[in-house]
Amino acid sequence: IAGITQAPTSQILAAGRRMTLRCTQDMRHNAMYWYRQDLGLGLRLIHYSNTAGTTGKGEVPDGYSVSRANTDDFPLTLASAVPSQTSVYFCASSVTGSRPDTQYFGPGTRLTVL
Amino acid sequence: GQNIDQPTEMTATEGAIVQINCTYQTSGFNGLFWYQQHAGEAPTFLSYNVLDGLEEKGRFSSFLSRSKGYSYLLLKELQMKDSASYLCAVLDSNYQLIWGAGTKLIIKP
Repeated sequence: IAGITQAPTSQILAAGRRMTLRCTQDMRHNAMYWYRQDLGLGLRLIHYSNTAGTTGKGEVPDGYSVSRANTDDFPLTLASAVPSQTSVYFCASSVTGSRPDTQYFGPGTRLTVL
Repeated sequence: GQNIDQPTEMTATEGAIVQINCTYQTSGFNGLFWYQQHAGEAPTFLSYNVLDGLEEKGRFSSFLSRSKGYSYLLLKELQMKDSASYLCAVLDSNYQLIWGAGTKLIIKP
């Protein structure tokens, strides 16, 4: 049972480049989330999706886009990376996004933008 | 605004008991979660409280007082493997989690 997988594990990226972080879950969860985690700050929600075909903006959506073509996959794209997007990115999923369901996290992607 | 406060760092001794506090002010409340996060790893679920009182789960217990906007996580019989960050998160009125910055717990032998 894989749960949630993320790729790549880590990446160093030049500023201005486009980058897609991949996230796949095999739990058939309806809701998926992207967070960033920075030292001294709590996890901050970037985008979320409560069901395939729908997405929503979280607390810090600027500079990021997402899509949810199917239940399993939820890629996060940085159209033109900037150094302030250097962070650890976590994908998470839950059964639904409209109940107090536990969120389960992927292993994270450590992204450095130079 | 929404705010979750917890201490930045705590130190405790192996075998002892430690209490990690969390206070919150959020727009709506649909429960409070505690997660554990070891360095370099993903957060993992520990507990969920929506009603006032104490929930016990083995060595870990979590308490909630909604009227005071307060929760704590109690860890008993501390083990070295409990060295980690402990994250407090509130589920707001939109069923989105608002996270505290986490408390780094250092266990000394």
